[in-house]
Amino acid sequence: DADVTQTPRNRITKTGKRIMLECSQTKGHDRMYWYRQDPGLGLRLIYYSFDVKDINKGEISDGYSVSRQAQAKFSLSLESAIPNQTALYFCATSGSVGTEAFFGQGTRLTVV
Amino acid sequence: GQNIDQPTEMTATEGAIVQINCTYQTSGFNGLFWYQQHAGEAPTFLSYNVLDGLEEKGRFSSFLSRSKGYSYLLLKELQMKDSASYLCAVRRSMGGNNRKLIWGLGTSLAVNP
Repeated sequence: DADVTQTPRNRITKTGKRIMLECSQTKGHDRMYWYRQDPGLGLRLIYYSFDVKDINKGEISDGYSVSRQAQAKFSLSLESAIPNQTALYFCATSGSVGTEAFFGQGTRLTVV
Repeated sequence: GQNIDQPTEMTATEGAIVQINCTYQTSGFNGLFWYQQHAGEAPTFLSYNVLDGLEEKGRFSSFLSRSKGYSYLLLKELQMKDSASYLCAVRRSMGGNNRKLIWGLGTSLAVNP
């Protein structure tokens, strides 16, 4: 089983719909992250959380919200999806001493 | 400011050696990572350098010069499966335990037979 699991793996949704992407991890890490990846733009940080009570905006948080339900779970919501949120989304975790990040398999989201 | 530069694309031949360069400009440097990412898949960790010098791990090695703001990833005995994007990421200390990862756009490596 993967250490960092994202669901769904693929999703097509309509403009204006609310959608939630979920992430769970079995690595026991405190830090969790949500990134989006677009061709030519690389990985961009949306939100990050250093523990259950600590949520921080990344560089492109507008249009997104997150919830850290437990140490192992970090979900990303698009309140009202728009086409330019079509991207590959990754959840990642890292240990509290800031070692390397471990990524989930990604969610390919298409907003039509 | 903070910036990471790496070549967009590289091509190499199976069995050969390739060097992928990464230059960066940032304050509060706190380490440099290399990740491999196959198309449509998750990035996977390859190497980490925080001190100057060469880190070797099997066919892959990574070098860092902090004074020059420069790193390279060296891939030896190239295999077709090494065709992937290679991401350079710099960790920046923001004070206390707060660190930020800055990602390069990646170098797409094509290994030809």
